[in-house]
Amino acid sequence: QVQLQESGPGLVKPSQTLSLTCTVSGGSISSGSYYWSWIRQPAGKGLEWIGRIYTSGTTDYNPSFKSRVTISADTSKNQFSLKLSSVTAADTAVYYCARDVGYDTNKWGQGTLVTVSS
Amino acid sequence: DIVMTQSPDSLAVSLGERATINCKSSQSVLYSSNNKNYLTWYQQKPGQPPKLLIYWASTRESGVPDRFSGSGSGTDFTLTISSLQAEDVAIYYCQQFYSTPRTFGQGTKVEIK
Repeated sequence: QVQLQESGPGLVKPSQTLSLTCTVSGGSISSGSYYWSWIRQPAGKGLEWIGRIYTSGTTDYNPSFKSRVTISADTSKNQFSLKLSSVTAADTAVYYCARDVGYDTNKWGQGTLVTVSS
Repeated sequence: DIVMTQSPDSLAVSLGERATINCKSSQSVLYSSNNKNYLTWYQQKPGQPPKLLIYWASTRESGVPDRFSGSGSGTDFTLTISSLQAEDVAIYYCQQFYSTPRTFGQGTKVEIK
């Protein structure tokens, strides 16, 4: 049974870079036809898709994040990561990592709250 | 980007009654190559990640009670809870998988009347 777990700092200062890691257990991120995704949710608001990395290493990003976002993978650790630069208070949210199979997202981490504040 | 619009934003339904949530996409999410609608429904309860309910607009995920059903094609979709149970109180989201960026509806909050 594949499980995902987010980790990283819960507090980031404005203008700095938010860095989160998703550790996948119960399956390899380099096998199968899966997209490993990041999605966020500000408190009391809806879901926002940030981007994804395919098993081949190909990435897709939400243009709304312009050039601030980078998603990468470390297959030796079975992890994938999110970096979001130049953060502001508007980036405060619960960040989820998830597995996208091309037509749904059927595995989600529990989410981690990241607060942007000085 | 494909814009997903849900209606209503919230609804209150009596236990055992039907709840209907609508989702409209700004362009068709029907892939002509396989005749499948790339539209998914999720349920989210407080403090939890979204839970997959329905994919391909009408295919129920394994383990999801059969009181949940999805319908629609092209740009107009519906999630129906045939007989609302107390445990169905949640926010429901639709999401399109037709193209990137993946986009979600704004959510519909379902409560007990």
